[in-house]
Amino acid sequence: HVQLVQSGAEVKKPGASVKVSCQASEYTFIDYNIHWVRQAPGQGVEWMGWINPNSGDTYYPQKFRGRATMTRDSSISTVYLDLTSLRSDDSAVYYCARGGRVTDYYYKFYMDVWGKGTTVTVSS
Amino acid sequence: QSVLTQPPSVSAAPGQTVTISCSGSRSNIGNNFVSWYQQLPGTAPRLLIYDNDKRPSGIPDRFSGSKSGTSGTLGITGLQTGDEAEYFCATWDTTLGPNYVFGPGTKVTVL
Repeated sequence: HVQLVQSGAEVKKPGASVKVSCQASEYTFIDYNIHWVRQAPGQGVEWMGWINPNSGDTYYPQKFRGRATMTRDSSISTVYLDLTSLRSDDSAVYYCARGGRVTDYYYKFYMDVWGKGTTVTVSS
Repeated sequence: QSVLTQPPSVSAAPGQTVTISCSGSRSNIGNNFVSWYQQLPGTAPRLLIYDNDKRPSGIPDRFSGSKSGTSGTLGITGLQTGDEAEYFCATWDTTLGPNYVFGPGTKVTVL
């Protein structure tokens, strides 16, 4: 069945960077965008942007431009999220989610398959 | 603060029906599709409804969605204890470029 498998929990100090991976299986990797979403403890859900695994094109909302970078390695069907200059309020569970065919316009995107999440803790 | 508004909680007895509202504006719900996600405690969100009223395969028809103007609604009929979860609406907002926004969530409690 279609699934997204994420890397394990991370503990980082303020100012450091973290890289989280998300490996896709049981579907054609380059056909669907991958989004990253995070959820701080007891908080709502926040969208961080998406990557087109076919072209490598990315889109980030204003809040994350310059601090978040999404990349992919198509040879292993894996997408990465790199978040720099970590602060305590970046502590959250980070999810990757499949969302929309790469040939569709963004307004058709919704997230139909989710990874189990990666806990990132930022603490001195 | 989310640009979408949901009630913090709703509750009902098993077998009853609940509805959850999601209120937005013309820059989000008014001009885009609404999706709904269910998040059971300690798990990742799961897609329940997309394109306002469509259910992915495997989602029971007890769950339904609708949209009118700048509001969306999720309905759950025949409430079950396993439905106790947080429910989020989501849509695209175009105020400052495309931004996929989630509502603050509604906790459904089965009495």
